[in-house]
Amino acid sequence: DTGVSQNPRHKITKRGQNVTFRCDPISEHNRLYWYRQTLGQGPEFLTYFQNEAQLEKSRLLSDRFSAERPKGSFSTLEIQRTEQGDSAMYLCASSGEVGNTEAFFGQGTRLTVV
Amino acid sequence: QKEVEQNSGPLSVPEGAIASLNCTYSDRGSQSFFWYRQYSGKSPELIMFIYSNGDKEDGRFTAQLNKASQYVSLLIRDSQPSDSATYLCAVNAGGYQKVTFGTGTKLQVIP
Repeated sequence: DTGVSQNPRHKITKRGQNVTFRCDPISEHNRLYWYRQTLGQGPEFLTYFQNEAQLEKSRLLSDRFSAERPKGSFSTLEIQRTEQGDSAMYLCASSGEVGNTEAFFGQGTRLTVV
Repeated sequence: QKEVEQNSGPLSVPEGAIASLNCTYSDRGSQSFFWYRQYSGKSPELIMFIYSNGDKEDGRFTAQLNKASQYVSLLIRDSQPSDSATYLCAVNAGGYQKVTFGTGTKLQVIP
């Protein structure tokens, strides 16, 4: 399968716990995006990487959220001290650069904080 | 003003009709425009992209771009019940800018 892969697909955690999600992009894509989506809303931008460089992080994102993309390959998104408001679908997408910027999504990780 | 705006719907059309979905964007320098289809509980699926003014056709889908009016639309001909989904408009301003999404329009195709 050469598409974007996200793990886990589902995560249930207790409030206050830390969680980490992984995204493996399409191999030739050097851009990687993280979005969050809640019911009835469009994907909300969290952060994105060009290779290993984190180029932008949403101002709405609290310090509890951190993302990494070591060596410009897979990426991880960590949420510390989870809150019920963090419950959402976390989507990862990857794309190429200029002239090839179509972004393709993984299946998402659904987080439920209880 | 939101960066990418869409009417949330629902837009209801009878089977076989043309569905017209609209999107406006605020960044006049935007260069790439995308339409995604999202079924309930699933992730967005790219169905069309357009970079130049005018129309782009792919099967039953036509994307239309008017940069002067900052407007992009998606037409779905011969709508089918399986087209019932939320359609997301997305825009990329180019360079190192991110892809920004609208909130989506829910389409219902009535058999």
